[in-house]
Amino acid sequence: DTAVSQTPKYLVTQMGNDKSIKCEQNLGHDTMYWYKQDSKKFLKIMFSYNNKELIINETVPNRFSPKSPDKAHLNLHINSLELGDSAVYFCASSPASGDEQFFGPGTRLTVL
Amino acid sequence: AQSVTQPDIHITVSEGASLELRCNYSYGATPYLFWYVQSPGQGLQLLLKYFSGDTLVQGIKGFEAEFKRSQSSFNLRKPSVHWSDAAEYFCAVGGYSGNTPLVFGKGTRLSVIA
Repeated sequence: DTAVSQTPKYLVTQMGNDKSIKCEQNLGHDTMYWYKQDSKKFLKIMFSYNNKELIINETVPNRFSPKSPDKAHLNLHINSLELGDSAVYFCASSPASGDEQFFGPGTRLTVL
Repeated sequence: AQSVTQPDIHITVSEGASLELRCNYSYGATPYLFWYVQSPGQGLQLLLKYFSGDTLVQGIKGFEAEFKRSQSSFNLRKPSVHWSDAAEYFCAVGGYSGNTPLVFGKGTRLSVIA
């Protein structure tokens, strides 16, 4: 009974490709997030959605485009991948902004 | 703006020794405070949280944390560390003020030696 799931767990791709990461939560939460964790383990918030609406869009290249087809899903599409995009991407959800967040297992993206 | 400082980037303790990880926060109202743990190759797992009430909160895996408003701190403690506690620990602050999500500290890496 996974609360927050992400696919794929690992993603290895070439520079310039386009890829997507999917996230689903079965907790009934209203708010979902995408984070990027770099090699120094620093967690940087990228996007936050509340009830399918974009709430937070941090300074992220517009090659990154989140999509929330419904409250339980928040996908991340990345165009024209660059070496610097290599990181672990975490999806999370919470009942409301500022509340406890539940994290997915992460997707390790490696751009060659 | 809210912020979280974890002053220690890396801490090494001996197995069986006590542990204290420091966390200082800045928040304009009554904060909600959290500690998360991230084991190697895993996602973040909540250890404990403080919303209100008793300032000493108990969490999973034998951890506890104490909220000290006067010091703007929420330090994590464990009386006896086990080798399996080696991980990255994140402190976070949040609250019900608009659409502001949790703010995370930069993390403290805990190493445990025999």
